[in-house]
Amino acid sequence: QLQLQESGPGLVKPSETLSLTCTVSGGSISSNSYYWGWIRQPPGKGLEWIGNIYYSGSTYHNPSLKSRVTMSVDTSKNQFSLKLSSVTAADTAVYYCAAFFSSSWSSWFDPWGQGTLVTVSS
Amino acid sequence: DIQMTQSPSSLSASVGDRVTITCRASQSISSYLNWYQQKPGKAPKLLISTASSLQSGVPSRFSGSGSGTDFTLTISSLQPEDFATYCCQQSYSNPPTFGQGTRLEMK
Repeated sequence: QLQLQESGPGLVKPSETLSLTCTVSGGSISSNSYYWGWIRQPPGKGLEWIGNIYYSGSTYHNPSLKSRVTMSVDTSKNQFSLKLSSVTAADTAVYYCAAFFSSSWSSWFDPWGQGTLVTVSS
Repeated sequence: DIQMTQSPSSLSASVGDRVTITCRASQSISSYLNWYQQKPGKAPKLLISTASSLQSGVPSRFSGSGSGTDFTLTISSLQPEDFATYCCQQSYSNPPTFGQGTRLEMK
């Protein structure tokens, strides 16, 4: 059964870069059935999609985050990563990684990692 | 971006009640609509995909319907473990977008 787990610093200073890694277990990150996604949720607010990456390295990210997002995949470690640059307090959120199943007839996020709270503060 | 609007934002109900939550898209999304359940401090869990397909292991008291712009999630008889926040998500076009959530509370 596919499982995902986020890891990374819980505190990042303003203007610095947030870096998170998601480790996939119970399946291969090189599966052609899945993209691998990042979603965040500011405290008390709704979910916001950050971006998806395929095992080949193809990426899709939310235009609202402009060019601050960088995603990568390490198939040898079964991991994928997120970097968000120039962070501000508005980037404080619980960050989730998730498997994104995509087919011609539907797509969805499942399963999700447990989430990790990242606070932007000096 | 496609905007997803849920109503109500919060709802008080009792065990055994029938509950309906609505999700409206800002443009037609066919049936590309998913529903998630989120409990405090936990990750969202996929309940229903493609508007009405119940995920494996999800109780049959949950059902989804709709197409185009208007969708509903119905819980036929509320159980204590169903008190949570429910969220819709469109997968019709990028970026995938989520509704703001409906918090289902115990009356």
